Amino acid sequence: EAGVAQSPRYKIIEKRQSVAFWCNPISGHATLYWYQQILGQGPKLLIQFQNNGVVDDSQLPKDRFSAERLKGVDSTLKIQPAKLEDSAVYLCASSLSTGGETQYFGPGTRLLVL
Amino acid sequence: EDKVVQSPLSLVVHEGDTVTLNCSYEVTNFRSLLWYKQEKKAPTFLFMLTSSGIEKKSGRLSSILDKKELFSILNITATQTGDSAVYLCAVGVGGAQKLVFGQGTRLTINP
Repeated sequence: EAGVAQSPRYKIIEKRQSVAFWCNPISGHATLYWYQQILGQGPKLLIQFQNNGVVDDSQLPKDRFSAERLKGVDSTLKIQPAKLEDSAVYLCASSLSTGGETQYFGPGTRLLVL
Repeated sequence: EDKVVQSPLSLVVHEGDTVTLNCSYEVTNFRSLLWYKQEKKAPTFLFMLTSSGIEKKSGRLSSILDKKELFSILNITATQTGDSAVYLCAVGVGGAQKLVFGQGTRLTINP
């Protein structure tokens, strides 16, 4: 079974530039999550989708971050404009549903904002 | 605010030693507690615990949950250098099982 796929694996941009990350969840997983993991910290949930609807985006900085999952499968996370403090690993995870299923993580995208 | 705290933050031991990692939590609407292992890439799932006092075991790793005292431990016996990683504890909260992560314990096993 293929795992969660993410791209790119690494990205370096300058502050105030835009960047987008892509995630393809495990086939059949209805729920998709984006996490931000700053160096030395645990992952922090940014947004959770159930199919193509948003379940929780309470910790998403909506002035600069946006995410979509238009067809209920793959998803993109965008930052516009980026700030220095956005440097982190962005992890995508998926689960069968929101009913207590285990979340499986992708390899992450490491973002460096200069 | 939901909070998950892991201790110690860092641990260095010799191969063959036994280690115990701690996770305590203060959350509203607890649903589950999960342990993940994170090397230089994605966190990989180890255990999910929902009931108090029932030990889950996988090889040299085991974990148990105490819902009265609000903590969990992860034990690793006969440690190997391949056990070196960051171990993350996460608590699922609410009906949507939002995961709240601790800051992780960095475990280093020296040969």
